[in-house]
Amino acid sequence: GAVVSQHPSRVICKSGTSVKIECRSLDFQATTMFWYRQFPKQSLMLMATSNEGSKATYEQGVEKDKFLINHASLTLSTLTVTSAHPEDSSFYICSAIGGGTKNIQYFGAGTRLSVL
Amino acid sequence: GDSVTQMEGPVTLSEEAFLTINCTYTATGYPSLFWYVQYPGEGLQLLLKATKADDKGSNKGFEATYRKETTSFHLEKGSVQVSDSAVYFCALSADSSASKIIFGSGTRLSIRP
Repeated sequence: GAVVSQHPSRVICKSGTSVKIECRSLDFQATTMFWYRQFPKQSLMLMATSNEGSKATYEQGVEKDKFLINHASLTLSTLTVTSAHPEDSSFYICSAIGGGTKNIQYFGAGTRLSVL
Repeated sequence: GDSVTQMEGPVTLSEEAFLTINCTYTATGYPSLFWYVQYPGEGLQLLLKATKADDKGSNKGFEATYRKETTSFHLEKGSVQVSDSAVYFCALSADSSASKIIFGSGTRLSIRP
């Protein structure tokens, strides 16, 4: 099946710094990528949907200026958590749709962010 | 709005035991239903899906039947293995493109040898 790589798998940072998470589709062109956030023992919550070359569409309640999403190519989307604070600590997961399997999302392994 | 409710874990079973993980949903219209599995250190993988009422999705010995009358999509396996230890997510999508998926909270399954 299609492979989505997410990097880094874990990051620890100080409060006030910015953190960038990368999501790459390794063997297909991802026309659409998704970013989710997962709190402990809770569902994955969709944060935003990004299409290559256009602005991301954010879900209600997600701060656009806090969570910057860039989908500059058909194989790469990035999520930047700006001026991170302890409440931003969470598990962030990306997924992608594309190629010949437009109705299936392929997921990355996730990134655990801890803000001190 | 649409939602998915699945049984809380963790669920711990002995090898070769019968598995059921309950999942019910709330949706307007006729959603597609999914089970995803997340093995340790890996991303979510689609395990099986069903797109209309009475459809049965199956894969790797797991089965789930789309029950419209009870709005359920319970996951079952007749004989679990240690390698089935993972977190299982029930999910729905109200559109055919699967661009908007709503997940349950996940159920952690541990199988004892």
